[in-house]
Amino acid sequence: DIQMTQSPSSLSASVGDRVTITCRASQNISSYLNWFQQKPGEAPKLLLYTAHRLQSGVSSRFSGSGSGADFTLNIRSLQLEDFATYFCQQSYSSPPTFGGGTRMEIK
Amino acid sequence: QVQVVESGGGVVQPGGSLRLSCAASGFTFSDYAMHWVRQAPGRGLEWVAFIRNDATNETYADSVQGRFTISRDNSKNTLYLQMNGLRSEDTAMYYCAKSGLRFADLLYNYFAPWGQGTLVVVSS
Repeated sequence: DIQMTQSPSSLSASVGDRVTITCRASQNISSYLNWFQQKPGEAPKLLLYTAHRLQSGVSSRFSGSGSGADFTLNIRSLQLEDFATYFCQQSYSSPPTFGGGTRMEIK
Repeated sequence: QVQVVESGGGVVQPGGSLRLSCAASGFTFSDYAMHWVRQAPGRGLEWVAFIRNDATNETYADSVQGRFTISRDNSKNTLYLQMNGLRSEDTAMYYCAKSGLRFADLLYNYFAPWGQGTLVVVSS
C-alpha cells in the first residue's frame, strides 16, 4: 500500500495568516492526490482533486500543487471557518490511502 | 442538491452482523461508482470498499475482505454494506461517498460528496 505522510500533524495559526501543509507519498503517484477538510462532527469535504483542481464551491483561498511524491496545500488569508483538520488522499494505486491528517487550531 | 445519507449503524457484539444503507439523491445514481470509508474514533480515514456504477466490480480493503460485502440497488438509489464477523477494530464512523467522476473506476478519482456517517460500535 502507498503510505501518505502529512506534515505538520498539527499547527497553530491566526486569522489572516497563510499556511502550507505538505503531503508526501511513499512512491510516485503522478498527480492523483486529493485534499479534504473535516470539521469536528462533520463529514470530510473535498477541496482539491488531482493535486491542483479546485472543487466547485470551494474558496479560491485554497490552492494545491505538486506531482510525483510531494504535494502542498496552501491556504491564504485564513478565515475562522478554515480551522479544521486536513487530509490528503492518493487515488493512484489500490487501495486508496489517506494521510494521517493536519489539525489546524487558532493561535 | 447532491446528497447521500447513511443509516443502519448501532451497537453490535463481536462476531455479529450489521447492514448499513446509504440513500442517494440529486444525481443519477446508476452513473456513479460508490465507496464506503470509515474513521475510528479520534483516528484517520480508511477506505473500506468500492462498487462500480453497474455493480460489475467490487473492491475491498484487506482488513474487511471476506467479511464485508458492498452492494447497490440502482432502482432504489441505495448503497449497502453488509458487515459480518464484526471485530472491535471495526468500531468507527462509516461514511458513504460518491465517486467524483461518472462511469469511473476505483482509481484516478475522488470522493464527493460524503454523507454525515453512521456510527458502528462493536462491543460486548
